[in-house]
Amino acid sequence: ELKVEQNPLFLSMQEGKNYTIYCNYSTTSDRLYWYRQDPGKSLESLFVLLSNGAVKQEGRLMASLDTKARLSTLHITAAVHDLSATYFCAAMTGTASKLTFGTGTRLQVTL
Amino acid sequence: NAGVTQTPKFRVLKTGQSMTLLCAQDMNHEYMYWYRQDPGMGLRLIHYSVGEGTTAKGEVPDGYNVSRLKKQNFLLGLESAAPSQTSVYFCASSYLTPGRLYNEQFFGPGTRLTVL
Repeated sequence: ELKVEQNPLFLSMQEGKNYTIYCNYSTTSDRLYWYRQDPGKSLESLFVLLSNGAVKQEGRLMASLDTKARLSTLHITAAVHDLSATYFCAAMTGTASKLTFGTGTRLQVTL
Repeated sequence: NAGVTQTPKFRVLKTGQSMTLLCAQDMNHEYMYWYRQDPGMGLRLIHYSVGEGTTAKGEVPDGYNVSRLKKQNFLLGLESAAPSQTSVYFCASSYLTPGRLYNEQFFGPGTRLTVL
């Protein structure tokens, strides 16, 4: 059974600082996703990582995947308030493309 | 395209009542999913469907039933609601690509259900 662990659960950071969110998964996964969720809203897809060593970047966010370590990271560079949200990683397995989600990281960027 | 829509957006039930949540997608996607989201637990898969007329259990199926009579619709039923089913429910859909390239899931806006 695939398990996905994310840490930290909560992250309060100052604007301009850097930080990394970690996502570990327990068994082989076809691909790894990162989503953003704003309060009371649905999930917005940020990145999909397909293979070992994959790196994707969008603005101040960069995601990477190490399939050997079963680890994905979401790195935040020079955080701004607009990045405040909850971030989820999710691993996909099986022929039905099922997703197993991590518990989420609530990011709060303060001035 | 409306994408993935969910009806209703909010609902309050009393214990023992029944209701059906409707998910509709206009993207001609093969796969559809129902998740529930509880505080501190991320999203958990309830049931899913890989095509019209087919359904399968996910991680937390107890107390729920589903039907996929039409390709574009996926219904989630609660026969006898319990307070433990208070949650936010998300529907998602996905497509089958040749060569099994990544199959992104597209999420609906969610239904907030409270069972008293």
